[in-house]
Amino acid sequence: KNQVEQSPQSLIILEGKNCTLQCNYTVSPFSNLRWYKQDTGRGPVSLTIMTFSENTKSNGRYTATLDADTKQSSLHITASQLSDSASYICVVSGRGSTLGRLYFGRGTQLTVWP
Amino acid sequence: NAGVTQTPKFQVLKTGQSMTLQCAQDMNHNSMYWYRQDPGMGLRLIYYSASEGTTDKGEVPNGYNVSRLNKREFSLRLESAAPSQTSVYFCATHRGVAGNEQFFGPGTRLTVL
Repeated sequence: KNQVEQSPQSLIILEGKNCTLQCNYTVSPFSNLRWYKQDTGRGPVSLTIMTFSENTKSNGRYTATLDADTKQSSLHITASQLSDSASYICVVSGRGSTLGRLYFGRGTQLTVWP
Repeated sequence: NAGVTQTPKFQVLKTGQSMTLQCAQDMNHNSMYWYRQDPGMGLRLIYYSASEGTTDKGEVPNGYNVSRLNKREFSLRLESAAPSQTSVYFCATHRGVAGNEQFFGPGTRLTVL
């Protein structure tokens, strides 16, 4: 069964600290994996996309990694800011799938305290 | 450019009432989607439209109908609302090429009493 599991479910860190969010998936065959950020009361916004051949990709203070062999991805946030408080959602697309077949994780709720 | 817009932003219904959630996009995207988001459940696909004139069921279509009115507009209708349909509803668009980003609207928060 194609699934996407994220951990931890929630996380609280102090401003300025780093953190890492995890995403494990069983979607096969794999096409790509996206990390979305969802601020409270808003729709998700894409942070980064990882394809099969990519191991690491950065977007400012956000760095995503992908290990296609173990089917794991992580999102590392450096020097956290209050504005990083949000839900981070991992979304996996299967290769050859219809456009409707995206697999969503349940998200990690990150809270950054001053 | 407004991107993806949804109306209304908030709605309260009584059980059995009907309503239509509206979604419009000015991104000239082919594909449009309706999701619901419940606490602890993540986003679940209700219906999607790969292109104008086509619609397909997603993961949780029961109790909903959709209309792809034209390329810009995709509406979601609840014919007889139930408390289990209390949720936040998101519309999203996609250019239609695998791997491309989905763009989400701001959401409609629906409560069914």
